[in-house]
Amino acid sequence: GDSVTQMEGPVTLSEEAFLTINCTYTATGYPSLFWYVQYPGEGLQLLLKATKADDKGSNKGFEATYRKETTSFHLEKGSVQVSDSAVYFCALRPNTPLVFGKGTRLSVIA
Amino acid sequence: KAGVTQTPRYLIKTRGQQVTLSCSPISGHRSVSWYQQTPGQGLQFLFEYFSETQRNKGNFPGRFSGRQFSNSRSEMNVSTLELGDSALYLCASSYREGRGNTEAFFGQGTRLTVV
Repeated sequence: GDSVTQMEGPVTLSEEAFLTINCTYTATGYPSLFWYVQYPGEGLQLLLKATKADDKGSNKGFEATYRKETTSFHLEKGSVQVSDSAVYFCALRPNTPLVFGKGTRLSVIA
Repeated sequence: KAGVTQTPRYLIKTRGQQVTLSCSPISGHRSVSWYQQTPGQGLQFLFEYFSETQRNKGNFPGRFSGRQFSNSRSEMNVSTLELGDSALYLCASSYREGRGNTEAFFGQGTRLTVV
């Protein structure tokens, strides 16, 4: 079945460091890909999405490119801030409900 | 415009009891999905409703049920609660049925603790 694999956390970075969170997927067909973020005590917020191969989603300095050849959708940010500390979820949606990865906890220290 | 509203935010119940959780979607959204989030299993899909009809159901026992009303508000019910039902229950609303690139907007969740 469809599945998403994310790098295990937690990830701890200093402010202004470069961030990469790896995400790979297995799916039949051509799913849409999403990154969601969950701040402490909150629900999930959509961070960015990409709907077809080579699409780049971007928002708030975060970017991810839909790579069909490597079945990947890695999240990147050039310079993280303390306020980026949260749990990040990679997700896919073919023609089914959303399928989520396990989440990666990011802690950014000043 | 108002986001997805889930009530209550926190709930403590005893094993064997039943519980009903409520979700009001974003105005104009007709699809509501429910997810269970636990530290061990992560985010798991429970069910989706669109125009008052259940369109998809996840792999959960029959103790978990839901419904959607004509105003798109949705409720989920868990009967005969077990300790393992303790979780954050998240509701997501979408403008259309959840497929492809349809964006889902999540509420803050209901934290259920079963003791």
